Amino acid sequence: KQEVTQIPAALSVPEGENLVLNCSFTDSAIYNLQWFRQDPGKGLTSLLLIQSSQREQTSGRLNASLDKSSGRSTLYIAASQPGDSATYLCALQGGSEKLVFGKGTKLTVNP
Amino acid sequence: SQTIHQWPATLVQPVGSPLSLECTVEGTSNPNLYWYRQAAGRGLQLLFYSVGIGQISSEVPQNLSASRPQDRQFILSSKKLLLSDSGFYLCAWSAGLAGKGSLYFGPGTRLTVT
Repeated sequence: KQEVTQIPAALSVPEGENLVLNCSFTDSAIYNLQWFRQDPGKGLTSLLLIQSSQREQTSGRLNASLDKSSGRSTLYIAASQPGDSATYLCALQGGSEKLVFGKGTKLTVNP
Repeated sequence: SQTIHQWPATLVQPVGSPLSLECTVEGTSNPNLYWYRQAAGRGLQLLFYSVGIGQISSEVPQNLSASRPQDRQFILSSKKLLLSDSGFYLCAWSAGLAGKGSLYFGPGTRLTVT
């Protein structure tokens, strides 16, 4: 059974700092990995999708990497801004229609 | 462009009352549809998914059910709500086969069972 862990559960950084969010998983047999952002009381917004054959994806200040052999993914946020404050979740899709989600990392960027 | 709608946005219901949450998707055909629940302090739990009209797969047996009467409509129901049904319910869609595309979420429905 796939298990997804995100550490830390919460992170507070000053504005402008570069930061890394971590996601680890137990089963490397995955089709893809997605990073989502969730603002309080809102739905999830897809940020980046990495297919299993890829090593990383970039969108603006965000860069996500995938290392299946070690069961890890990281989301790198460059030059963080207060507007980046949200909960970030990673999710993995294996051999079915289902995604398995981590519990998320709550990020606070202080001005 | 594709859009996903959910209603109502918030709902307060007494224990034992029925439930009907609706989700519709615009701008795509034959989407895979999903119902997730997010309870306080817990991760997202997949409740149901559907790969086509009338095709429902259940992940949690409990007192909830789902139906897909039309290609782009997904309904979550209960005959009698429990306190433990409180949570944030999210509908989502994806295109294509498993693992081939992103998952897109609706705005969610906040359900409080009193």
